[in-house]
Amino acid sequence: GQQLNQSPQSMFIQEGEDVSMNCTSSSIFNTWLWYKQDPGEGPVLLIALYKAGELTSNGRLTAQFGITRKDSFLNISASIPSDVGIYFCAGQGGTSYGKLTFGQGTILTVHP
Amino acid sequence: DGGITQSPKYLFRKEGQNVTLSCEQNLNHDAMYWYRQDPGQGLRLIYYSQIVNDFQKGDIAEGYSVSREKKESFPLTVTSAQKNPTAFYLCASSFDRGHANEKLFFGSGTQLSVL
Repeated sequence: GQQLNQSPQSMFIQEGEDVSMNCTSSSIFNTWLWYKQDPGEGPVLLIALYKAGELTSNGRLTAQFGITRKDSFLNISASIPSDVGIYFCAGQGGTSYGKLTFGQGTILTVHP
Repeated sequence: DGGITQSPKYLFRKEGQNVTLSCEQNLNHDAMYWYRQDPGQGLRLIYYSQIVNDFQKGDIAEGYSVSREKKESFPLTVTSAQKNPTAFYLCASSFDRGHANEKLFFGSGTQLSVL
């Protein structure tokens, strides 16, 4: 089946630093989504991308849908302590109704 | 407030026991899903349902069963056939049209552990 490789697996940064993480796939996806999960909670949708090359922002977050349709990037600028959590990429390809494929997640720790 | 409610938050299963996880939504969403989350892994789809009285197996359905008798409810039963049930279980829902079916709204999860 489809697989997503998300990197890095974890990041330890200082407050105020910028963060970058990415996902790559062996298959083409039609939609890329980025979710954030706080400890003990369910993921919350941050950004959805629908077109190759699309660049979308949500506050300090910016995500891009790769031109090849096999990758996506998420950047967080000027990190703050409440950015801590697990960030997941997810993709949907073809007619796989609602069957998002999730990356393994990036654990973000922000030191004050 | 509209949302998805999962219960209980923590659940313990004894050997050979079936347990049922509850998921209720008042978002008027058509589709509902169950995912399993293990440490260091992405979310894996167990079952999903697009409409009442219909559901489909996901990638790891063995040892699980579901029902969809009401639009608002999608309970998951972890049967004794599931030999490694310890995980964090997430229920999600979405509308069933256009790109909306990709925008999943998640509950706060149930942590299942084996005694």
